[in-house]
Order: sequence, then structure tokens, then C-alpha cells
Amino acid sequence: DIQMTQSPSSLSASVGDRVTITCRASQGISNYLAWYQQKPGKVPRLLIYAASSLQSGVPSRFSGSGSGTDFTLTVSSLQPEDVATYYCQNYNSAPLTFGQGTKVEIK
Amino acid sequence: EVQLLESGGGLVQPGGSLRLSCAASGFTFSSNAMSWVRQAPGKGLEWVSVISGGGGTTYYADSVKGRFTISRDNSKNTLYLQMNSLRAEDTAVYYCAKDRCNTNCYARGFDSWGQGTLVTVSS
Repeated sequence: DIQMTQSPSSLSASVGDRVTITCRASQGISNYLAWYQQKPGKVPRLLIYAASSLQSGVPSRFSGSGSGTDFTLTVSSLQPEDVATYYCQNYNSAPLTFGQGTKVEIK
Repeated sequence: EVQLLESGGGLVQPGGSLRLSCAASGFTFSSNAMSWVRQAPGKGLEWVSVISGGGGTTYYADSVKGRFTISRDNSKNTLYLQMNSLRAEDTAVYYCAKDRCNTNCYARGFDSWGQGTLVTVSS
């Protein structure tokens, strides 16, 4: 099974900061990777699919990159409404594993 | 507008069974793969199972294999999860999720999620 490891587990940044979250797959998954945002008490929301494609309706300050085993989610200018936990997910093959999550807070 | 409405959660004793349902609307249900994802209290997301649009392909997480069965009735636009031999560690909110995949695939990312139904396994 493919394991997904995110880093850091949590981070605190100021409004306007550039924030980067990393996700590493235990074996190559091409670009079969999605990123989700889950705000406190809310349902998860798809942000990025195919490693770098922005889901409709998602603000352009979110971007994704990577291929193979190493992936990155970037928020170019952190906003208060971006406080959430972010998850990566492998969908190259079942099991469709999620990373453990990265909690983002405002400093 | 896509809507997914889960039902069937509740309190069950260890070793018991439950069947979850997810009623879908706002899209051509039979065209899309569907998954169940769960989240234990205060924990992260855990993928549980996926079924292709036609129902012919299914996969399970190791943690539920042999105990849970995913199915769908495309005539009723409904997804199911039959859960048997429930354990305390199955306690979680269970979400159904619509996959972007709609042709010759079973996973391309979950673009719509239901509100979830809580399953509590306790004596």
C-alpha cells in the first residue's frame, strides 16, 4: 500500500504570508494526487486534483505542484478564511490513502 | 447542484451491524464512482471503500476488508455501506463522496461530499 506523509503537521503564519505544505508518497504515483481543505466543523472540500489543477471555485492563491513522489500545496498569500486542516490523497491506486493532515493557523 | 445525503448512522454494540445509505441528486449518479470516507473524533480522514459507476469494481481499506460491503442502486440514485462485526475503532463520522471519475476509472478526486452520519460503536 502507498503511504502518504505530510509535513509539517501544523504551522502558524501571518496573514499575507506564503505557506507551503509538502506531501510525500512512499512510491511513485505520477500526478494522481488531490489536496483537500477541511475547515473546523465543516466537510472537506477539493482544492487541487491531478497534482496541479485548480478545482472550480477555488481561489487562485492556492496552487499545487509535483509529480512522482513529492508534491507541494502553496497558498501564495494566507487569508484568515484559510484556517483549516489540509490533506493530500493518493488516487493512483487503491487504497486511496490520505496524508495525516496539516493544521494551518494564523499567527 | 450536487446533493449527497447520508443516513443510517447511530449507536450500535460491538459485533453489531449497520447499513448506511447516501441519497444522491443533481448529477447522473450512474456515471460517477463513489466512495465512503470516515473521520474518527478529532482525527484525520480515512478512506474506507470505493465503487465504480456501474458497480462492477470495488475496493476496500485493509481495516474494513471482509467486514464492510459497498454497493449502489443506480435506479434509486443511492449508495450503501453494509457494516458488520463493528468494533469500537469504527466509531467515526462517515461521509459519502462523489468522485470526479466517470469513464473507465474509479478515482480522480472527490469533488462533492455529504454532511456525514455518525456511527458510534459502544456497549
